[in-house]
Amino acid sequence: DGGITQSPKYLFRKEGQNVTLSCEQNLNHDAMYWYRQDPGQGLRLIYYSQIVNDFQKGDIAEGYSVSREKKESFPLTVTSAQKNPTAFYLCASSMDREKETQYFGPGTRLLVL
Amino acid sequence: QKEVEQNSGPLSVPEGAIASLNCTYSDRGSQSFFWYRQYSGKSPELIMFIYSNGDKEDGRFTAQLNKASQYVSLLIRDSQPSDSATYLCAVRDRGSASKIIFGSGTRLSIRP
Repeated sequence: DGGITQSPKYLFRKEGQNVTLSCEQNLNHDAMYWYRQDPGQGLRLIYYSQIVNDFQKGDIAEGYSVSREKKESFPLTVTSAQKNPTAFYLCASSMDREKETQYFGPGTRLLVL
Repeated sequence: QKEVEQNSGPLSVPEGAIASLNCTYSDRGSQSFFWYRQYSGKSPELIMFIYSNGDKEDGRFTAQLNKASQYVSLLIRDSQPSDSATYLCAVRDRGSASKIIFGSGTRLSIRP
């Protein structure tokens, strides 16, 4: 059963705490992405990775960090430096070629206590 | 800054009518265009892609591309209440082929 999985579905963060969101894909896709979506808003790119052990900042990388140690996995850490982390976080993957689209995981909703 | 623009809506269409969603993009050289549907609280799902000028039909959905005018549209025929969702237009970034630029979405409501 191929696809993209994200966990947890809901995550609660306390002040000053780092939290990590998981994203795994078994589609053999080269590229993976993290987006943030605020209520009623579009998608904003946080980080993306085209290949293992390499990643690039997106439009809103401050307060976030990522790693890409395996092709299948692209975890996102929301650090305490991110002052307004409440949002819906979406992971996506694609083949790294023109005309290839992105497929999304089910998302993680992060809430601040 | 490359942009993809959509009217945020809401666009209200009676059941059974044609819903027309429009999108413009700033990069004239863009080659790949996508439409996603996103239900409230869910992740986006791909419903159409188009690369060439003209129309592309898939069931009740038709995507239209006009590269000269830099717009993409999505038509939904025989609209159903289950079509009520936010529709995101997306364009592959020529400068970084790994990136896709998303519009902010048009909220569509099909009224019975």
